Amino acid sequence: GQQVMQIPQYQHVQEGEDFTTYCNSSTTLSNIQWYKQRPGGHPVFLIQLVKSGEVKKQKRLTFQFGEAKKNSSLHITATQTTDVGTYFCAANDYKLSFGAGTTVTVRA
Amino acid sequence: EAEVAQSPRYKITEKSQAVAFWCDPISGHATLYWYRQILGQGPELLVQFQDESVVDDSQLPKDRFSAERLKGVDSTLKIQPAELGDSAMYLCASSLAVGQETQYFGPGTRLLVL
Repeated sequence: GQQVMQIPQYQHVQEGEDFTTYCNSSTTLSNIQWYKQRPGGHPVFLIQLVKSGEVKKQKRLTFQFGEAKKNSSLHITATQTTDVGTYFCAANDYKLSFGAGTTVTVRA
Repeated sequence: EAEVAQSPRYKITEKSQAVAFWCDPISGHATLYWYRQILGQGPELLVQFQDESVVDDSQLPKDRFSAERLKGVDSTLKIQPAELGDSAMYLCASSLAVGQETQYFGPGTRLLVL
């Protein structure tokens, strides 16, 4: 399957601050999905991006798909304690290939 | 809201023993997936079913792992014999069809091999 690399591996954020996590591929992706896994929980689907340059927003979360469809990003504004968890991107070519995730912790 | 069911939630076994995990997908979901997630990593697909047929088992260690979905509904993943390196979370997921937008994950079975 297609491989995706995520950076950073860990993100320590002060509550109220913004941060961005990135997902990169060496090949063009058909589409990409993002999942969130809370500590001790299971992955939960957040969004799918399909079109080149696509931007989708979910409240404080903004997802982007690069123009070349080789990278994606997740930007969270005004981080809250409920944002704690690991965020995975996954390349979707009829099966999902997950990145290693960005684990987010929040300082209150 | 419908959920994917998995059992057991936790399993401790000794190496060389056999273990089995069960998954019941969301009703009506034709596609079922088994993933293995090692601590600190993303889920890795082991096997994918479309109804009762295997679509992809390229990452399944077939010398010790087997999976079946006999009636195209629930599924069992078996490991025999278990090895220390098999300690991981085993996640089941389902979707309406292959390539469908959303995969719904179950709570997983955490396996510890001693």
